[in-house]
Amino acid sequence: DVKVTQSSRYLVKRTGEKVFLECVQDMDHENMFWYRQDPGLGLRLIYFSYDVKMKEKGDIPEGYSVSREKKERFSLILESASTNQTSMYLCASTLNEKLFFGSGTQLSVL
Amino acid sequence: GDSVTQMEGPVTLSEEAFLTINCTYTATGYPSLFWYVQYPGEGLQLLLKATKADDKGSNKGFEATYRKETTSFHLEKGSVQVSDSAVYFCALSDRGGSEKLVFGKGMKLTVNP
Repeated sequence: DVKVTQSSRYLVKRTGEKVFLECVQDMDHENMFWYRQDPGLGLRLIYFSYDVKMKEKGDIPEGYSVSREKKERFSLILESASTNQTSMYLCASTLNEKLFFGSGTQLSVL
Repeated sequence: GDSVTQMEGPVTLSEEAFLTINCTYTATGYPSLFWYVQYPGEGLQLLLKATKADDKGSNKGFEATYRKETTSFHLEKGSVQVSDSAVYFCALSDRGGSEKLVFGKGMKLTVNP
């Protein structure tokens, strides 16, 4: 079975902390994505990556960065967490236009 | 840029009712169209897709037809079940090779027994 694993289901962090959200896929997919999901706003693309060490900004990259050192792992980094980054974060990988999503990480920034 | 507009709900139906969720899109090219579903506590999963005009996607009793003339991809099911309670997202892919998807805002459906 296809699997995209996000390391944490729930996270609580304080304003100003550096936060790492980890995502691993076991399908050897080249493309990986980070979305955030907010009520009334749907899913918005933060960053995506086509290959190792390669990244592209999505629609809302401000306040975020990413790392793709290995093909299977795509990390989202909040350099200095703020309360407006409280959200559900969804990682996905894709093959032939079909996205496979992880279960999500609900991040609360206090 | 490309965009998707869908019914936002929330919607509550009784079991065996007919379901329609409207979705329209704006795109410069010829996108592929998708419906994704998110069950409580889970990530999104692909429900169905259509890649060209007049294609019909279907899965688990759900159907949607790619209508280029009305730029629509409405989701329908003839008889919903309690297990269909979820959030439904319409999406498009620009097919420019990026495989990025643009999502609608999602619609929460609750089906009561």
